[in-house]
Amino acid sequence: KAGVTQTPRYLIKTRGQQVTLSCSPISGHRSVSWYQQTPGQGLQFLFEYFSETQRNKGNFPGRFSGRQFSNSRSEMNVSTLELGDSALYLCASSSREGRYEQYFGPGTRLTVT
Amino acid sequence: DQQVKQNSPSLSVQEGRISILNCDYTNSMFDYFLWYKKYPAEGPTFLISISSIKDKNEDGRFTVFLNKSAKHLSLHIVPSQPGDSAVYFCAARGRYGGATNKLIFGTGTLLAVQP
Repeated sequence: KAGVTQTPRYLIKTRGQQVTLSCSPISGHRSVSWYQQTPGQGLQFLFEYFSETQRNKGNFPGRFSGRQFSNSRSEMNVSTLELGDSALYLCASSSREGRYEQYFGPGTRLTVT
Repeated sequence: DQQVKQNSPSLSVQEGRISILNCDYTNSMFDYFLWYKKYPAEGPTFLISISSIKDKNEDGRFTVFLNKSAKHLSLHIVPSQPGDSAVYFCAARGRYGGATNKLIFGTGTLLAVQP
């Protein structure tokens, strides 16, 4: 079974631009979560989707948004990029809602200059 | 407010010896605790978990201990191998009144196993 895939793997943007990151979960998985990893901060929860519905949202500004499609693929969008948004963005999928064991993709490394 | 804390940013252990990674938490509502391992340029990989109603869970070389009164958990790796060198994250899931996959992560501990 193929793992979680994320595209693109690396991205460089300038301040003020917007960016869209994509995540394809493991086949059959319907739950997708997004996390931001920065040095010294560990992984910070962004949001969680199940069956196209946002179930949970972390403490991030409204510039961060996401959605999930009917095939369980998910996208996250960051508008008006700031230097502090530079991070590794990780997507995780799970077989069902409430299943704590999650499988992570390799991440998208976003650099904002 | 850091609800899950890993106070040791790094740990160095000799091959064959025991590695002990520690994690403290503040929220008594967490119902599951997990350990993930992360290599550079890869996503975290699930290692082992423990329910809040247990105090020990073992899987091969990996054992997780939970001390609820101290709000402390630890991961023991015995024997340690050079391939275990990675960043280890402790994570917890809270009871939010509904099904959720939201995890709260610690900041990680870099384990280096010396040959």
